[in-house]
Amino acid sequence: GAVVSQHPSRVICKSGTSVKIECRSLDFQATTMFWYRQFPKQSLMLMATSNEGSKATYEQGVEKDKFLINHASLTLSTLTVTSAHPEDSSFYICSASQDRGSLNIQYFGAGTRLSVL
Amino acid sequence: DAKTTQPNSMESNEEEPVHLPCNHSTISGTDYIHWYRQLPSQGPEYVIHGLTSNVNNRMASLAIAEDRKSSTLILHRATLRDAAVYYCILDNYGQNFVFGPGTRLSVLP
Repeated sequence: GAVVSQHPSRVICKSGTSVKIECRSLDFQATTMFWYRQFPKQSLMLMATSNEGSKATYEQGVEKDKFLINHASLTLSTLTVTSAHPEDSSFYICSASQDRGSLNIQYFGAGTRLSVL
Repeated sequence: DAKTTQPNSMESNEEEPVHLPCNHSTISGTDYIHWYRQLPSQGPEYVIHGLTSNVNNRMASLAIAEDRKSSTLILHRATLRDAAVYYCILDNYGQNFVFGPGTRLSVLP
């Protein structure tokens, strides 16, 4: 159980285009979903937290107009990188968790490698 | 923010036990201790979590010090597939899920 599917696994796009990444919890309802970014040889950095039906909470320094997050259902969240530029090239990873009070176990997708040319 | 300290890297021989340490001297009473691992080019994978007592599951064991200021992830028989970066994370209510650099485990055949 606790499977999170992330799609696509890899995307190459031209500078200026927008890219949408989907994150689905397949066998549980995720009250909260998280989006991370990871640059080579570095650790994961949290970008934003989203709860179903409400606006995402972005971490300091993350542009909300550039990284659009939609969490329309308890099993689906999307991250859209708008007007992508080469500096947005990175490994994007989503995770999903159930509400268990103080215990928050996150289950992660396999990640999306974005390359902007 | 709750913080953890882990060695940057460790090595183990295949089929031998591995003890991965984590120090968390500022842990609060409600913080859970989580361990995740990340294989190359993949998202992190949940390994185990605990609060006060030692825990066992099919992947690993978690030994928690009596004062909770440190913990150890135990892989009973390392395999080549266990080579990964292992992260020790403190969290409660989803407020402090911060990934540090972790420990890069190399498993030698």
